[in-house]
Amino acid sequence: GDSVTQMEGPVTLSEEAFLTINCTYTATGYPSLFWYVQYPGEGLQLLLKATKADDKGSNKGFEATYRKETTSFHLEKGSVQVSDSAVYFCALLNAGGTSYGKLTFGQGTILTVHP
Amino acid sequence: NAGVMQNPRHLVRRRGQEARLRCSPMKGHSHVYWYRQLPEEGLKFMVYLQKENIIDESGMPKERFSAEFPKEGPSILRIQQVVRGDSAAYFCASSRGTGTKNIQYFGAGTRLSVL
Repeated sequence: GDSVTQMEGPVTLSEEAFLTINCTYTATGYPSLFWYVQYPGEGLQLLLKATKADDKGSNKGFEATYRKETTSFHLEKGSVQVSDSAVYFCALLNAGGTSYGKLTFGQGTILTVHP
Repeated sequence: NAGVMQNPRHLVRRRGQEARLRCSPMKGHSHVYWYRQLPEEGLKFMVYLQKENIIDESGMPKERFSAEFPKEGPSILRIQQVVRGDSAAYFCASSRGTGTKNIQYFGAGTRLSVL
């Protein structure tokens, strides 16, 4: 079945540091890939997405490129802020086969940014 | 533009009671998904519904759990005879459609505590 693996956390950075959160996936066909962010006590917010190979999703300074050859969708940001502290989830959507429309999530990576 | 609305935000039940969780999708969305987030874990798919139909319930426990999305009104996730292991955050998401229209937007969740 489909699966998503994220780098283990927690990740602790100083403000203005460079961020990378690794995400790799296993899926049949051509899934769409997503990054969601969850702030404490809140629901998930869609951060960015990519629907086909070599697509780059970007939003709020975050970027991720859909790499089919390495089955990866790593999240990056050049300069993190304290307000970026949250849990980040990588997810895939595989509409083929019996997966219908369900999202498959990674386990989440906790990011803490210190001033 | 109201987002996905879930209520209640917090729900406390004693073992053996029933829990009813409600979800109103975003305007214009007819597809609803329920996910469960256990402590320290990612989100796991439970069920996917369209108006009056269950499309995929492969993630639902076989007993005590049911879901509906009536023609009028919100989607309901119902848990009968709750047990402590049901304590979790339950998130609802909605989308406009399938394929490229399947961008899922999440509600703030219902946090169920079973005493």
